[in-house]
Amino acid sequence: QVQLVESGGGVVQPGGSLRLSCAASGFTFSSFGMHWVRQAPGKGLEWVAFIQYDGTKKYYVDSVKGRYTISRDNSKNTLFLQMNSLTPEDTAVYYCAKVFDVVVVPADTMDYWGQGTLVTVPS
Amino acid sequence: QTVVTQEPSFSVSPGGTVTLTCGLNSGSVSRNYYPSWYQQTPGQAPRTLIYSTDTRSSGVPNRFSASILGNKAALTITGAQADDESDYYCMLYMGTGLWVFGGGTRLTVL
Repeated sequence: QVQLVESGGGVVQPGGSLRLSCAASGFTFSSFGMHWVRQAPGKGLEWVAFIQYDGTKKYYVDSVKGRYTISRDNSKNTLFLQMNSLTPEDTAVYYCAKVFDVVVVPADTMDYWGQGTLVTVPS
Repeated sequence: QTVVTQEPSFSVSPGGTVTLTCGLNSGSVSRNYYPSWYQQTPGQAPRTLIYSTDTRSSGVPNRFSASILGNKAALTITGAQADDESDYYCMLYMGTGLWVFGGGTRLTVL
């Protein structure tokens, strides 16, 4: 079965950096695009970043452009999110999500979700 | 700026039917936005319910259905059950690498 396990969250001071990982199993990781989605405490879901199955296309929400970098290592079935210049507004649970088969769903919609990892940037 | 709108809250009686909607601050929602719906209970990860406007994800009960109603996407729960009490989010694909979630609807079953 599909499993997505995030790690790397923690407390980081403003201006600091953190690298999140998402270990994938139960599917052919190299064939699927992946998203990062975050949820600030008590708030709704916010899409953060997407990477195509082969890593050639990457997209970001405006608020993280230039600060976050999404990447993947298909040989290790792992997705990453490098977060730099963190601010208190980046405090959230970060979820990784696999997309549906793009042939079936061209919009790269989220299919399976991990349990999330909490990033806290104190003010 | 694209804003996806949802009712902040809704309530339904057990066994009742409720329709949640998903709109755009400017323009109409159509199938071209590939609307999707997610269910989230407190402390849990989101669960994908519906994709591509009206297709139920694997394992989703058929009491959940979705469509385009007028100028909005809509999620209908028919025969609501107590464990349907959750937050529901819609998401629209705006094209060329931009996905936008609505603010979510908190559904109470009482």
